[in-house]
Amino acid sequence: GNSVTQMEGPVTLSEEAFLTINCTYTATGYPSLFWYVQYPGEGLQLLLKATKADDKGSNKGFEATYRKETTSFHLEKGSVQVSDSAVYFCAQIKNYGGSQGNLIFGKGTKLSVKP
Amino acid sequence: SQTIHQWPATLVQPVGSPLSLECTVEGTSNPNLYWYRQAAGRGLQLLFYSVGIGQISSEVPQNLSASRPQDRQFILSSKKLLLSDSGFYLCAWSAPSLGGNYGYTFGSGTRLTVV
Repeated sequence: GNSVTQMEGPVTLSEEAFLTINCTYTATGYPSLFWYVQYPGEGLQLLLKATKADDKGSNKGFEATYRKETTSFHLEKGSVQVSDSAVYFCAQIKNYGGSQGNLIFGKGTKLSVKP
Repeated sequence: SQTIHQWPATLVQPVGSPLSLECTVEGTSNPNLYWYRQAAGRGLQLLFYSVGIGQISSEVPQNLSASRPQDRQFILSSKKLLLSDSGFYLCAWSAPSLGGNYGYTFGSGTRLTVV
């Protein structure tokens, strides 16, 4: 079945360090891919998305590229800030013709950025 | 614009007591609605989803139930809470007319502690 696998955390970085959080997916066909962020005590917010192969989603300095050949959607940021400390979830949703499947999440990766 | 409201934000309930969590969406019609649970140290688990009034699909067998009495209202209930029902409950909606390309929009969550 469809699934999402992301690197286990926690990830601890110093401010201004480079961030990569790996995410791979298994799916039949070509799902849409997402990164959600959850700040402490809050719900989930959509960070970025990509709906087809080679699309690059970007927002707030974060980027992820939909790689069909490696079934990956790794999240990157060149210089993290303390305010980026949160849990990051990779997710996919499969489109079935005119209807949609359900959003499937990875287990989340907790990022802590130290000043 | 569309908004999603979820309440209460926090709840402490004794074992065996009933539960009712409410979620409403504004600014859209006929949304797909979802209940997720995030248990401590675990990822997001889809509990229920609904594609219309009175239409509920359950993803996992459990002590909880869901209802959709109105188009933009989604309720999560239990007759008798268990300790294992503790967690962070998230409501979400999506627009079926857009397919899966826009993901879901989440509420701010309810932190339930069963004591």
